[in-house]
Amino acid sequence: GAVVSQHPSWVICKSGTSVKIECRSLDFQATTMFWYRQFPKQSLMLMATSNEGSKATYEQGVEKDKFLINHASLTLSTLTVTSAHPEDSSFYICSASKASGGAGDTGELFFGEGSRLTVL
Amino acid sequence: SQKIEQNSEALNIQEGKTATLTCNYTNYSPAYLQWYRQDPGRGPVFLLLIRENEKEKRKERLKVTFDTTLKQSLFHITASQPADSATYLCALENGGFKTIFGAGTRLFVKA
Repeated sequence: GAVVSQHPSWVICKSGTSVKIECRSLDFQATTMFWYRQFPKQSLMLMATSNEGSKATYEQGVEKDKFLINHASLTLSTLTVTSAHPEDSSFYICSASKASGGAGDTGELFFGEGSRLTVL
Repeated sequence: SQKIEQNSEALNIQEGKTATLTCNYTNYSPAYLQWYRQDPGRGPVFLLLIRENEKEKRKERLKVTFDTTLKQSLFHITASQPADSATYLCALENGGFKTIFGAGTRLFVKA
């Protein structure tokens, strides 16, 4: 199987502080990782695509200076919510793809368990 | 504009019946479509992938159809069980392995 570990699973912080969330692929190398945000009873909203060794690609409307993404190795991507505000409170989920661009690749994504952020 | 639409209302069915969930999309041309299961407070779990040149895909009690003309996918769970109760998400490939999700349909299976 393919396991993606996300940490922390929940975090409470004060307004104005920064919070880092880690996403690790435990038993495979993930060239590409994706970060999603989910509000209650709503869809997963893609925030950014994270590629190892290069800058993340952000979706329209997502502030790159607010949500810093670092993909320093093939097994780790981090999302840092800077100067958090109550409206940043949400469920953040990462996913990883095994795809390497070959003909046999599928689009199956392996998701972490999510991190619930509450900003007071 | 691009849209992925799933039944927003919850689907309630009796144990043993077949559950059918619908996913319609607009202004996408996905190379493949996926279905995921999500339980409350958890990350989604991959169930099935169907490519644009495939009409139907099966896995145990699950069946997915994909009609690129109608721009629709149907997801069936046969002989449903209470343990199948969850939210089911439709997801489309949108270039470069980028995956876009629908809002999901909540399924409740009553014993």
